[in-house]
Parts: sequence; C-alpha cells; structure tokens
Amino acid sequence: DAKTTQPNSMESNEEEPVHLPCNHSTISGTDYIHWYRQLPSQGPEYVIHGLTSNVNNRMASLAIAEDRKSSTLILHRATLRDAAVYYCILRGTNAGKSTFGDGTTLTVKP
Amino acid sequence: DAGVTQSPTHLIKTRGQQVTLRCSPKSGHDTVSWYQQALGQGPQFIFQYYEEEERQRGNFPDRFSGHQFPNYSSELNVNALLLGDSALYLCASSLMVDSGGYSPLHFGNGTRLTVT
Repeated sequence: DAKTTQPNSMESNEEEPVHLPCNHSTISGTDYIHWYRQLPSQGPEYVIHGLTSNVNNRMASLAIAEDRKSSTLILHRATLRDAAVYYCILRGTNAGKSTFGDGTTLTVKP
Repeated sequence: DAGVTQSPTHLIKTRGQQVTLRCSPKSGHDTVSWYQQALGQGPQFIFQYYEEEERQRGNFPDRFSGHQFPNYSSELNVNALLLGDSALYLCASSLMVDSGGYSPLHFGNGTRLTVT
C-alpha cells in the first residue's frame, strides 16, 4: 500500500490559517487522498478527500500538487476545537484497506 | 441519521480469553472495516467485510476473525487474548463504490479493550 508522510506535530494560533502537509510520493493514479482528524477519546472523523483538483468543504480545503505527490490540508481559521491528530491516507479503487501513519498532532494556542 | 455505533465501549478481559466486539454501520453503508489503535499510534487495518465476506485483510494473525450479517452489522472476534491486544478497536463503515474509488470512512468511537 502507498504510504504517506506527515510531520509529527504542528502549532498554530487561534483564528490563524493552518497548513498541514502530507507527502505521498508513491501514490497511484487511482488513489484518492483522504484526510481525517481524531479528537481525544473519539474515533477519527472524515474531513475531506480529493483525487486531482483542489477541494473545498465547510470544514477545510485540500490543495493537491500537480504531480499528486503531496497535498496540504488548509484550515482557514483555526479554533481551539481544531486541536486534534490529523491523518492523511490514500484510498484506492482496488484496495479496501487504508494505511494510517501516526498523523500530525495539531496544537492550537489561544 | 445514526452514525456508526460500537459496543461495548470498554471491556476488560484476562489473557487467554476470547472477546467479541460489535459494530452497526452508518445507515446506507454496506462495507465495514475494523482497525486496531494502540496508544499514541495511528489505526492499523485488521480487515474489511462486504457482502458478508472478508474482502481485505491486514497483517493480523488468525486469532482475529470477523463476521458481517445481512443487515451489514459486523462482529470482531479475538481468540486467545494476549496482553499486546490491549488497544482501542475501531469500526468504520463506508459505501462500496464500483467506480471512482471508495467512499469516505465513517468511524465509531471504538471499544477500549484491556487485557490483564
């Protein structure tokens, strides 16, 4: 399975934008890029996903590099409730399993 | 709209015992995946069920087995429990899409299993 690489931790100030990077250099042409976040004592929560084009939803934006070997999750205005572990994973059309790394722990400072 | 529900929320078992964990998928979903999450680590894929069959399996021993029922709910069974099986067990449901990739995973809040 294609793997992803993320920084272990990042910090942000409240109400400032946050850019969370993810590298996936071995991505295949049919892999979708998914982002999830996990709050303490909860299961992971779906944030956003995309294939080639940038995507926006009410929670975040996903910017995908032209060669698809990296992507960035953008939180436009971080709040204290955005403090969580963020996971970037690849989900393919021919493989049901998804490999999670250890994610990026985002700390938001008031 | 009910999301993914798992039961029980917490469980304590003794080494060598057997355990069964249960999962009801999000309404409309037909695929269930199980994950094991050790403290401080990301979820590790155990297996996926679709149409009552195991479709994909991660690197877990045969002590881990599962089942999916006609109503799409699922069970995870672990035999001969080891201390190392202590973890948060997560169930995720999704919709099997024939083309265009898989739908997003929707997770439950997990079952915390402690093996003593």
